[in-house]
Amino acid sequence: RKEVEQDPGPFNVPEGATVAFNCTYSNSASQSFFWYRQDCRKEPKLLMSVYSSGNEDGRFTAQLNRASQYISLLIRDSKLSDSATYLCVVNGYSTLGRLYFGRGTQLTVWP
Amino acid sequence: DTGVSQDPRHKITKRGQNVTFRCDPISEHNRLYWYRQTLGQGPEFLTYFQNEAQLEKSRLLSDRFSAERPKGSFSTLEIQRTEQGDSAMYLCASSEGSRSEKLFFGSGTQLSVL
Repeated sequence: RKEVEQDPGPFNVPEGATVAFNCTYSNSASQSFFWYRQDCRKEPKLLMSVYSSGNEDGRFTAQLNRASQYISLLIRDSKLSDSATYLCVVNGYSTLGRLYFGRGTQLTVWP
Repeated sequence: DTGVSQDPRHKITKRGQNVTFRCDPISEHNRLYWYRQTLGQGPEFLTYFQNEAQLEKSRLLSDRFSAERPKGSFSTLEIQRTEQGDSAMYLCASSEGSRSEKLFFGSGTQLSVL
């Protein structure tokens, strides 16, 4: 079983739509959670950290459910510029330095 | 430019040849990571350094792969006797380490093994 599982999509939504991505992680002892964004043929960039109580950054809301071991990302009022692949990232349990990446969920926002 | 830099951006080689990639992390970052990414997949962890010490290596890192960070600054990743399955994007990232796990990636080295 992979450490991080994501639905690869693709998700195709119109501008202004609300879209949500989920991912699940296998290790209940994981402590750090992130969403990264990767544009086509570019390197991944940190979008936001995910905190236990949930957190919001503008149009983006991240939530963590430790009991079910899943993480979500909600994007409101989608923009064309949100088109990218969104990577769910979780740290290891005994390997403090290692971060595990999901395969990513592809989002296309159309006009 | 104060970001993570990688060299070369692209490398085309023949099967069986050796290749070496270089990564220069953000100067104040003490952790340096190597990841590999293939099309349609997320980055896969290869190895990471805390200063000059290589603290962890993935099972993916076969005997043909070796990484160094001799002075705790730049790092090199060498692949010996390349195989077609080694074709991928090799990404380097750095972080502040214990104070933050946030990774800052370089643009990567795209390796094509013919």
